[in-house]
Amino acid sequence: GENVEQHPSTLSVQEGDSAVIKCTYSDSASNYFPWYKQELGKRPQLIIDIRSNVGEKKDQRIAVTLNKTAKHFSLHITETQPEDSAVYFCAASDSSGYALNFGKGTSLLVTP
Amino acid sequence: KAGVTQTPRYLIKTRGQQVTLSCSPISGHRSVSWYQQTPGQGLQFLFEYFSETQRNKGNFPGRFSGRQFSNSRSEMNVSTLELGDSALYLCASTPGSGPAYNEQFFGPGTRLTVL
Repeated sequence: GENVEQHPSTLSVQEGDSAVIKCTYSDSASNYFPWYKQELGKRPQLIIDIRSNVGEKKDQRIAVTLNKTAKHFSLHITETQPEDSAVYFCAASDSSGYALNFGKGTSLLVTP
Repeated sequence: KAGVTQTPRYLIKTRGQQVTLSCSPISGHRSVSWYQQTPGQGLQFLFEYFSETQRNKGNFPGRFSGRQFSNSRSEMNVSTLELGDSALYLCASTPGSGPAYNEQFFGPGTRLTVL
């Protein structure tokens, strides 16, 4: 499938700080961009998503921004808490509309 | 509603064998996707089924195949297992039109170890 690049691969922040994870995609037909959180030993769960007709979306401490021209989108977590520690995956829909291409994940560690 | 279930949860096989994994989606969901998850590689898309039709397939060899039944349950099969097939295999079900439009709900995964 098309490439989705995700950076950084690991991120360590102190409790209360902000965390930013960035993704770029190559398929210009992508129009749906979800973010999933996977805690250790658990299944991935959707935390927020954005569609191509929206530039920014916010849900409490989590926000996602999308720049379709530059083909990149970012996850912003403010006031981080230890329970935010997990692996975060970005994804982009492919041109068929029947698949998501995932980034390789960012392991976020929030230290008290 | 009950969540996505996968069986078996753990499997140990030897090289050259074949394996079949099963996924039961959330009731009412007709789209089922399969992913291979390995450390450092994220979730790699295998295939997606909707109403018994494979609509998309990822870049995996032909040893990986799948199918979907009329009740939306899905199976994937890996033949002639290789050591590199050791991974967590996740399935996900999606309501409505499919994964490019709606949230995917993941199962707990099947941990496959190939010796």
